[in-house]
Amino acid sequence: TQLLEQSPQFLSIQEGENLTVYCNSSSVFSSLQWYRQEPGEGPVLLVTVVTGGEVKKLKRLTFQFGDARKDSSLHITAAQPGDTGLYLCAGASAGGTSYGKLTFGQGTILTVHP
Amino acid sequence: NAGVTQTPKFQVLKTGQSMTLQCAQDMNHEYMSWYRQDPGMGLRLIHYSVGAGITDQGEVPNGYNVSRSTTEDFPLRLLSAAPSQTSVYFCASSYGSGGSGANVLTFGAGSRLTVL
Repeated sequence: TQLLEQSPQFLSIQEGENLTVYCNSSSVFSSLQWYRQEPGEGPVLLVTVVTGGEVKKLKRLTFQFGDARKDSSLHITAAQPGDTGLYLCAGASAGGTSYGKLTFGQGTILTVHP
Repeated sequence: NAGVTQTPKFQVLKTGQSMTLQCAQDMNHEYMSWYRQDPGMGLRLIHYSVGAGITDQGEVPNGYNVSRSTTEDFPLRLLSAAPSQTSVYFCASSYGSGGSGANVLTFGAGSRLTVL
């Protein structure tokens, strides 16, 4: 069974601060995704990274896939209250088609205070 | 464009009762799956389907049944509800084109189930 360890589990910061969320595993993934979830709703995809060492930017969010495709990070610059939510990383197993089966991290609850 | 629709949004059951969570998607996605979300545990895969008539077990399948008679619908059945099945359930779908596109999941809004 593949595991994704996500940290920290909780993050409470002030508006304008920077933060990083980590997702680590001993397994190799063919791709890794980051989702954001609001209360009462389902997760919504932010980004997919597929190549080792890949870096993607989405406005103030920077996503990186580790060189060995076993880990990933999400960095938010100058956090805003609108960034508040649950962030989830999810990996698809390497080797063949994953059929949409993902392994999820435990999630990071981010609260950004005005 | 409705996407993935789940019903009901909330349900309370007594131990031993059975029920079906409904899931429908209108995107002609080939792959569909059910996850449960518990505090501090992320989402865990219950069952998944790669097309009509084809289903398989995920990480936590015990106590749940699924079937896929059409591309659009993927209901999840609880045969005899237990308090351990108290959770939020999410249905998801994705394209069956292969590659990383298969992993771009579109989720429903969730069904919150409480078993007393």
